[in-house]
Amino acid sequence: AQRVTQPEKLLSVFKGAPVELKCNYSYSGSPELFWYVQYSRQRLQLLLRHISRESIKGFTADLNKGETSFHLKKPFAQEEDSAMYYCALAGGTSYGKLTFGQGTILTVHP
Amino acid sequence: GAVVSQHPSWVICKSGTSVKIECRSLDFQATTMFWYRQFPKQSLMLMATSNEGSKATYEQGVEKDKFLINHASLTLSTLTVTSAHPEDSSFYICSARDSRGGLTQYFGPGTRLTVL
Repeated sequence: AQRVTQPEKLLSVFKGAPVELKCNYSYSGSPELFWYVQYSRQRLQLLLRHISRESIKGFTADLNKGETSFHLKKPFAQEEDSAMYYCALAGGTSYGKLTFGQGTILTVHP
Repeated sequence: GAVVSQHPSWVICKSGTSVKIECRSLDFQATTMFWYRQFPKQSLMLMATSNEGSKATYEQGVEKDKFLINHASLTLSTLTVTSAHPEDSSFYICSARDSRGGLTQYFGPGTRLTVL
């Protein structure tokens, strides 16, 4: 079975501070991991995926297979980063269905 | 690119009636689409996987006869909530995967269903 855990339901930081949203997963094979973001009253949108090894809007995430983690990081948070963030895993199951974590609401204060 | 639309964006219906929600991939073909349900301030719960030209695969606990899914073309999947009841009121979201490959899912804006 595959599982994604986001231990923090709420996370608050001040503008300019570093932020880290935690994500741990459980999966026996080689997973593909994603971070999706949902801004207020907007649809869920892809932020980044581990296979791309990219940085989007200043966010990065590194897959740590030893710790089974895929934490999302940004060195200097901005107010516009306030949103709901979901970590998701696509395992080797048919059709690539995603398993989502419970989500973390990030609030960046001015 | 990779835009997914849903129609309607919101619907109010009477208990006992059926409601159809459409999910379209606008600029790509999607062999596989997914239907989710989202409760307020909670995560997405996968209801079913919709495959073009074949029967949908439902998650455990999701009633097939209540949530009818049809994926008749590579750009359209529909979810019909049959004999809707107030407990079916929720936010329904679809997503689609590009047929050309990759596991990334592109999400629709969601449909708010309220059953009176």
